[in-house]
Amino acid sequence: QKEVEQDPGPLSVPEGAIVSLNCTYSNSAFQYFMWYRQYSRKGPELLMYTYSSGNKEDGRFTAQVDKSSKYISLFIRDSQPSDSATYLCAMITRTGNQFYFGTGTSLTVIP
Amino acid sequence: SQTIHQWPATLVQPVGSPLSLECTVEGTSNPNLYWYRQAAGRGLQLLFYSVGIGQISSEVPQNLSASRPQDRQFILSSKKLLLSDSGFYLCAWSVPRLARYEQFFGPGTRLTVL
Repeated sequence: QKEVEQDPGPLSVPEGAIVSLNCTYSNSAFQYFMWYRQYSRKGPELLMYTYSSGNKEDGRFTAQVDKSSKYISLFIRDSQPSDSATYLCAMITRTGNQFYFGTGTSLTVIP
Repeated sequence: SQTIHQWPATLVQPVGSPLSLECTVEGTSNPNLYWYRQAAGRGLQLLFYSVGIGQISSEVPQNLSASRPQDRQFILSSKKLLLSDSGFYLCAWSVPRLARYEQFFGPGTRLTVL
């Protein structure tokens, strides 16, 4: 079993839709969670960083962590064509040095 | 603010040739540094990470090596490239000693081995 599972998609939505991206994990020691956006041929860009269960909002983006279910989500409201990218989840334990990544979900927002 | 540089941005090399990719970080000290490879349409594969000068941990046995000659410099090398070394190479940093557990990536180097 992989440490982190992420549906690769691809996911295609109309402009203005709410997008839900999800990852599950198996290691209960993971305490810090990240979402990255990666445009084609670019390095991943950190979108959201959370370390507790619950929701964190930043503009149109909301990161949700449910540690009891080992499940994290990223919601994008009012999706825009510029949101078209691959989204990667990542996580790490408090004492570890290695980050664990999902394989990424490819999102296309259609104008 | 912190920035991370990688060069070159693009590289085309023949099979059997040597490789040297460089990564430098500005604006922070004693970062953890990482090298990842991302094959087309695939996830990130951790190659090496370093928690300090001269300290290298290898995650995948292969013909690549890494060195950290200075605090904010991380170098990825190979003596003889293979076709399978083609990919997008990403350098990243984090500073967990400052309770910052997130990781930041550089712009990447796209390597094509022919």
